[in-house]
Amino acid sequence: DTGVSQNPRHKITKRGQNVTFRCDPISEHNRLYWYRQTLGQGPEFLTYFQNEAQLEKSRLLSDRFSAERPKGSFSTLEIQRTEQGDSAMYLCASSPGTTQYTDTQYFGPGTRLTVL
Amino acid sequence: AQKITQTQPGMFVQEKEAVTLDCTYDTSDPSYGLFWYKQPSSGEMIFLIYQGSYDQQNATEGRYSLNFQKARKSANLVISASQLGDSAMYFCAMREGLENFGNEKLTFGTGTRLTIIP
Repeated sequence: DTGVSQNPRHKITKRGQNVTFRCDPISEHNRLYWYRQTLGQGPEFLTYFQNEAQLEKSRLLSDRFSAERPKGSFSTLEIQRTEQGDSAMYLCASSPGTTQYTDTQYFGPGTRLTVL
Repeated sequence: AQKITQTQPGMFVQEKEAVTLDCTYDTSDPSYGLFWYKQPSSGEMIFLIYQGSYDQQNATEGRYSLNFQKARKSANLVISASQLGDSAMYFCAMREGLENFGNEKLTFGTGTRLTIIP
């Protein structure tokens, strides 16, 4: 299977702990995106990378959140000092980034975070 | 104002019937794209169909078609001959400013839960 993969699929942590999620995009996709989805809502944009450059960050991405894509391949999303409000599904997506108008984002299975 | 509005929280449809899922959008940008995604209970968002604001014809992909009415700012998804496997959440999403590289985020609606009845 050559789709977007995310690890872990589930994470349970205690409030105040740090967590890190990993996303591996589709091979040769230049763009990588992070979204957050809470219960009953659609995904909300967090940030995106063009190769290794982080080009856009949402206001939702507080100082406790940091994302990296060091070699333009996989990406990590770290949440420091987790809060119960961080409980959500964290979705990663990638797109080819080679077309301007019809660039379609393909999503991974998500990481479900539960903060106790 | 909401960028994407999906007014049907849930729908029940008999197997083999056609179903229309509603989506209205709000943008002042002349260049935008509209997407539909399916999210089964497993959680993965599956891309279904895309419509660009400048496309002259309505998009079609197999059993999926998009009823695009630009003046009404609506982009309804039509699923023909529904199957049990179509039961899932369906999200409409928009990307604005297609002419500007760097404006890449998708804005999603709240979704419609579709249940196909055997």
